[in-house]
Amino acid sequence: AQSVTQPDIHITVSEGASLELRCNYSYGATPYLFWYVQSPGQGLQLLLKYFSGDTLVQGIKGFEAEFKRSQSSFNLRKPSVHWSDAAEYFCAVALPAYSGAGSYQLTFGKGTKLSVIP
Amino acid sequence: KAGVTQTPRYLIKTRGQQVTLSCSPISGHRSVSWYQQTPGQGLQFLFEYFSETQRNKGNFPGRFSGRQFSNSRSEMNVSTLELGDSALYLCASSRPGGLATSTDTQYFGPGTRLTVL
Repeated sequence: AQSVTQPDIHITVSEGASLELRCNYSYGATPYLFWYVQSPGQGLQLLLKYFSGDTLVQGIKGFEAEFKRSQSSFNLRKPSVHWSDAAEYFCAVALPAYSGAGSYQLTFGKGTKLSVIP
Repeated sequence: KAGVTQTPRYLIKTRGQQVTLSCSPISGHRSVSWYQQTPGQGLQFLFEYFSETQRNKGNFPGRFSGRQFSNSRSEMNVSTLELGDSALYLCASSRPGGLATSTDTQYFGPGTRLTVL
């Protein structure tokens, strides 16, 4: 069965430092890949997504992610973290669930909680 | 335009009761998906509705059901509530092409926090 692994449960960085959140997936083919962010008490907001093409994807809020097929990874990066980035981050894959009908379901990793030290 | 709306935002029920949660998708979106989020299991897919038909279902017991109306609004129902059903229930909507196009995405609502006592 497909799975998504986020090996880091909790990461703490200083404001202004760089950030990399890891994500690995297990699936026979390349799925669609996503990163979402969730602030306390809120729903999920999409940061970026990868469907095909350029393996370096730019997202909102200064985030980017790189797809590496050989490593089955889709790591999220930000060059300089702001205190407002403190939240929980979820990597997800979307797999076709109903061939030809455009139905997909997201399979999420367990999330990485990011804390930012001022 | 308005985002995905979920009502109520918070709900407290007791074991054995049933509950109905509501989701209004973004205008023009016809696909609605539901997810359960718990500290132990994380985010798990419940089901997806499109044009009033359930076209995909996750691995949840039959106590969890849903429906979609002609205006694309969706409800999910949980019968005979158990303590383990306490969770944040998230609804997400997308256009018919859903996640199949690089220009579209799935938009999430703020969720309904269900507490079962």
